[in-house]
Amino acid sequence: AQSVTQLDSQVPVFEEAPVELRCNYSSSVSVYLFWYVQYPNQGLQLLLKYLSGSTLVKGINGFEAEFNKSQTSFHLRKPSVHISDTAEYFCAVTRDTNAGKSTFGDGTTLTVKP
Amino acid sequence: DTAVSQTPKYLVTQMGNDKSIKCEQNLGHDTMYWYKQDSKKFLKIMFSYNNKELIINETVPNRFSPKSPDKAHLNLHINSLELGDSAVYFCASSQRGRAVTGELFFGEGSRLTVL
Repeated sequence: AQSVTQLDSQVPVFEEAPVELRCNYSSSVSVYLFWYVQYPNQGLQLLLKYLSGSTLVKGINGFEAEFNKSQTSFHLRKPSVHISDTAEYFCAVTRDTNAGKSTFGDGTTLTVKP
Repeated sequence: DTAVSQTPKYLVTQMGNDKSIKCEQNLGHDTMYWYKQDSKKFLKIMFSYNNKELIINETVPNRFSPKSPDKAHLNLHINSLELGDSAVYFCASSQRGRAVTGELFFGEGSRLTVL
């Protein structure tokens, strides 16, 4: 079985500050890792994904994440946030793409203040 | 052109009623899902269909019955609605198989309120 823990339920930051949203996972086998963003009253959309290869993954809207196998982490970062980044962020793992089941973390609410 | 569309977007109904939510995807994916998001924003998978075949059926009351007439459509019917069924229901799709990313594409959600 796989599980995902998002270590912070709420992260308030000021505009133009850097931010890190933390995600740890557990799985006995290799996994694929994803970050999704949910803006208010919308569905989730993919920010970035790690499948293999380089451990630093770049996504949309200036976000990036680093896969750390030894620490089983996949933290999301942005060097300078905007008000428009205010949203719910979900980390997800899929054991293998053929299984068809993603496990989601409980979400982190990022609030960017002016 | 919407990739995953669900209707209705909002549903307000009384306890004990039956309601349905429809979902359609035009991405050519072979797998569709229903997720439930509660008031704390927690996301839980309910069902998944691959090419019209049920492949994931989490612990969900029998009052919930999914139906997939073809691989582009997945509907959710709920009988005898209860207060605890109030949530946002998301439809999603993906492509299964090797050498694919497994990325999920979500609809905009259907907010169900049971009074």
